Amino acid sequence: GEDVEQSLFLSVREGDSSVINCTYTDSSSTYLYWYKQEPGAGLQLLTYIFSNMDMKQDQRLTVLLNKKDKHLSLRIADTQTGDSAIYFCAVLQTGANNLFFGTGTRLTVIP
Amino acid sequence: EAQVTQNPRYLITVTGKKLTVTCSQNMNHEYMSWYRQDPGLGLRQIYYSMNVEVTDKGDVPEGYKVSRKEKRNFPLILESPSPNQTSLYFCASSNRRGYQPQHFGDGTRLSIL
Repeated sequence: GEDVEQSLFLSVREGDSSVINCTYTDSSSTYLYWYKQEPGAGLQLLTYIFSNMDMKQDQRLTVLLNKKDKHLSLRIADTQTGDSAIYFCAVLQTGANNLFFGTGTRLTVIP
Repeated sequence: EAQVTQNPRYLITVTGKKLTVTCSQNMNHEYMSWYRQDPGLGLRQIYYSMNVEVTDKGDVPEGYKVSRKEKRNFPLILESPSPNQTSLYFCASSNRRGYQPQHFGDGTRLSIL
């Protein structure tokens, strides 16, 4: 299997940047995803990155991947109250169809 | 609209009474999967299916059964539910290729008394 770890909580002020971190253990992981879960809802794919990339930017979202340290981060610029949710990091191993999820980070945006 | 549909969304039942949670997808995906979400544990995979009539255990299969008789449906069966199966359950589907991200249903909250 794969161990995927995230801190459980993060609080930021509206307008600041948020950085959510994730570490994983299997260096053969090929695809890494960030999902967002709003209260009472399922998981919504935010973005993903292939293991041969270091960075991916999509509007307010920036994903950074450090393969050497097996560290993935999600930066949300200009964080808004609507960004308050649980964010899950998920990792796919080579040859597998199974995603391994982190525990989720609950982001609270303070107005 | 592409979607994964789970039913019921909420269920309160008693120990030992068999129940089935249905999952259906309209995207012609080969791969389907069930997860349970518990506080502080993230999502853990229960069972998955690579295609019709092909199912396999995930990380926490004990107490659950699945079947995949048709491509679009992947029901989760609890033959004799117990209180430790109280949880939030998600069904997901994707194309066979891993880089196609999984699409999730809205979840089923089960309470076993």
